[in-house]
Amino acid sequence: NAGVTQTPKFQVLKTGQSMTLQCAQDMNHNSMYWYRQDPGMGLRLIYYSASEGTTDKGEVPNGYNVSRLNKREFSLRLESAAPSQTSVYFCASSEDWDRKTQYFGPGTRLLVL
Amino acid sequence: ILNVEQSPQSLHVQEGDSTNFTCSFPSSNFYALHWYRWETAKSPEALFVMTLNGDEKKKGRISATLNTKEGYSYLYIKGSQPEDSATYLCAFMGGGSQGNLIFGKGTKLSVKP
Repeated sequence: NAGVTQTPKFQVLKTGQSMTLQCAQDMNHNSMYWYRQDPGMGLRLIYYSASEGTTDKGEVPNGYNVSRLNKREFSLRLESAAPSQTSVYFCASSEDWDRKTQYFGPGTRLLVL
Repeated sequence: ILNVEQSPQSLHVQEGDSTNFTCSFPSSNFYALHWYRWETAKSPEALFVMTLNGDEKKKGRISATLNTKEGYSYLYIKGSQPEDSATYLCAFMGGGSQGNLIFGKGTKLSVKP
């Protein structure tokens, strides 16, 4: 059981470039989430998918899009990266959204120059 | 904007000391409160999900209590060990939020041998 996996681990982008962060879970979880972690801030929710086929905005969705490709995979896309999107991105999953523990991936460190 | 506050921001204790910290959250529209433990260079790991007023949860030397009427939760660590050094996060889920967790900024605990 790999749990929640994320690729890449680290990425450097130039302003204006696009990229997709990949997340996959092998726990047959229904719900998946994308967070960003910035110094001095708590984890902030970008987008989430309560179940396959649904996605919703979290606290900080601007500049991002998501795709719930299937039950296992939930990707986060930056269409035109900005320095303000330099952050550590965590993907998480849970059995369902209702009072269930979230399991986090190892994170992707993104630097936008 | 919902506010989740954690105090203190950081805490330094000696091995063997018992310690506690606080998470404050909105007392209205409560659905669940999560506690996570986050070691440096790792991913957050779940400790507890608390749902009912008066809930008490325990995992080894770590326990938590919940007061939804006044909007606070305490996390206790009995006989702190160096391996307890980590940042402890709480996260609030309001009713109807479908898994949308609002995280506090965490309490960073350092335990000196």
